[in-house]
Amino acid sequence: GAGVSQSPSNKVTEKGKDVELRCDPISGHTALYWYRQSLGQGLEFLIYFQGNSAPDKSGLPSDRFSAERTGGSVSTLTIQRTQQEDSAVYLCASSIMGRLANTGELFFGEGSRLTVL
Amino acid sequence: RKEVEQDPGPFNVPEGATVAFNCTYSNSASQSFFWYRQDCRKEPKLLMSVYSSGNEDGRFTAQLNRASQYISLLIRDSKLSDSATYLCVVVYSGYSTLTFGKGTMLLVSP
Repeated sequence: GAGVSQSPSNKVTEKGKDVELRCDPISGHTALYWYRQSLGQGLEFLIYFQGNSAPDKSGLPSDRFSAERTGGSVSTLTIQRTQQEDSAVYLCASSIMGRLANTGELFFGEGSRLTVL
Repeated sequence: RKEVEQDPGPFNVPEGATVAFNCTYSNSASQSFFWYRQDCRKEPKLLMSVYSSGNEDGRFTAQLNRASQYISLLIRDSKLSDSATYLCVVVYSGYSTLTFGKGTMLLVSP
C-alpha cells in the first residue's frame, strides 16, 4: 500500500537494551513526525522533521532518545538503555509540508508497540 | 503552555442517541482545530476540521468557541460503528505540530 509503514510492529526488549524503530513515510511527504502513546495517555509529540530544515526535537523526553531521517525519506527512532517507562506505542506520521495548519491531516502508521521488561 | 483537555469518558449511549463531547484548550494563540478518531489498537485518523462558523459532515457537527476556548463535537443518531476514542487536536500558532488531547471514549450499544 501507499501508507506510512512502520517496523517492527511489536518489540519486546529487556531493560537497558537499545532499540531502533523504523518509519517509511508516504512518498512525497516531506514532513515526518514521531509521537508516542502510553496506556491511558494521549499522543505525546517527540520529534518533527521538515524537509532539509533542522528537526524540532523539543518533545524528546531524554537524551536516550534520538532520531534521524536519511535522504529525506526513511526515519529511525533510537532509544538507548531502555527503561520500563519507555513502554508505549510509537507512532510515525507524515504530511505534506506547510499544509498541516490548514488541513490538520497527519497520516499515521500503525505504530510500533514497545514493551520493556 | 500548550494543553488540550478532554473528559476521558467513557460515554455509554444506545444506538440512535445524540452525544456531545467538549474539549478545552489553554492557549489563546491557537491557529486551527480538528477532531481525530482512534479505533481500539489502531492509528488515529482525521475526522473533521473545526471552524468558528461550525462544520457539519453528515451526522457529525463540530463547533469552535474562541472566546471560551472550547471545541465541541456532536454526533447524532449514533451507530455501533461510532464506538471509538475521539481526540481533540489543536495546532498552535508558530508551531508545525499537532497537540492532542487524551481523547474521549464513546461506546455505542445495541
